[in-house]
Amino acid sequence: QVQLVQSGAEVKKPGASVKVSCKASGYTFTSYDIKWVRQATGQGLEWMGWMNPRSGDTGYAQKFQGRVTMTRDSSIGTAYMELSSLTSEDTAVYYCARGNAIDPWGQGTLVTVSS
Amino acid sequence: QSVLTQPPSASGTPGQRVAISCSGSGSNIGSNTVHWYQQLPGTAPKLLIYSNNQRPSRVPDRFSGSKSGTSASLAISGLQSEDEADYYCAAWDDSLKGNVFGTGTKVTVL
Repeated sequence: QVQLVQSGAEVKKPGASVKVSCKASGYTFTSYDIKWVRQATGQGLEWMGWMNPRSGDTGYAQKFQGRVTMTRDSSIGTAYMELSSLTSEDTAVYYCARGNAIDPWGQGTLVTVSS
Repeated sequence: QSVLTQPPSASGTPGQRVAISCSGSGSNIGSNTVHWYQQLPGTAPKLLIYSNNQRPSRVPDRFSGSKSGTSASLAISGLQSEDEADYYCAAWDDSLKGNVFGTGTKVTVL
């Protein structure tokens, strides 16, 4: 079945960077965009951006421009999201998801930013 | 910052019908299809309705979606205790060139 499996929880200090991976299985990786969404505790869903795994093209929400980088390794069907200059406001669960309908979603990766 | 507006909460007794609205603008709902997601506590969101009113095969037909102009709606008929969750709408926004999500609605089964 179609599945996205994300890397494990991370704890980072303010100013550091974090890189979350998202491994796809059950479909052709290059056929669907990968989207990244985050959710702070008790808050709603916040769209971060998208990546086309075939071309490598990306589009980022203005809020994250200059701070987020989405990449992929098509040989292993894995997408990556790297967020730099972390602050406590970046503490959240980060999700990857597939395609225009944003389905399915990965299980989520908790990123905690704390000194 | 959410661009689509939903009521913060909705509730009903088992068996009742509950409807959740999602209000947007011409650049998102007015121009593109709407999707709905269900998020159970402590889990990732799951697709409930896509392309305004289409249900994945695994989703019960108690769930239905509709769209008119710059608004959309999710209806849950025959409300069940397992429907207690957060619900989000989403659409592509042509101006922002990205997806936008609703503010989310918490459904409580009384």
